[in-house]
Amino acid sequence: GAGVSQSPSNKVTEKGKDVELRCDPISGHTALYWYRQSLGQGLEFLIYFQGNSAPDKSGLPSDRFSAERTGGSVSTLTIQRTQQEDSAVYLCASSSMGGSETQYFGPGTRLLVL
Amino acid sequence: GESVGLHLPTLSVQEGDNSIINCAYSNSASDYFIWYKQESGKGPQFIIDIRSNMDKRQGQRVTVLLNKTVKHLSLQIAATQPGDSAVYFCAGGGADGLTFGKGTHLIIQP
Repeated sequence: GAGVSQSPSNKVTEKGKDVELRCDPISGHTALYWYRQSLGQGLEFLIYFQGNSAPDKSGLPSDRFSAERTGGSVSTLTIQRTQQEDSAVYLCASSSMGGSETQYFGPGTRLLVL
Repeated sequence: GESVGLHLPTLSVQEGDNSIINCAYSNSASDYFIWYKQESGKGPQFIIDIRSNMDKRQGQRVTVLLNKTVKHLSLQIAATQPGDSAVYFCAGGGADGLTFGKGTHLIIQP
């Protein structure tokens, strides 16, 4: 595709429910990143996938958060037993090689936990 | 590790004036820097980048200046327009990846 796409664009859920957020990176990009952005704040790194290597999960805030990347392309970020503090915009980015290469961002998923 | 920060959370400029948004970084080994623009309700959009072997790079109405001596990066926007209203992030890093600043909200006064 022309750019990074994410779905859904908005998600409202009840506290305690599980949610899945999807990211389609730019075709051919080997690196994929998930970030969280709270209102008025900068980007908080969550997880990084690079090719077939084990992902860098160092940014995941708790064990309720997990992510997969199947076939080196599409990624799913799952938040289990959502809490109100999970409300934020979840951004996905991809880059051609990782490291210091330019990251191209999707439009984000706006998650609201009631 | 790297830390990247912006000097001002908000910058207000008159339409038609030039805007200068500043950023500082901590890791002298950082060799790549990017400026992103994030409009309300959208994801960050790449504007311009610069590598550490350069001190200036120009795009369309935008210029990035890199001062490695004081570890400072700036984004200059010429003849600021209403469509430039957004949050601007700098990012810097190297082989270990990028670190993002918090952002400066650029407000355009008519």
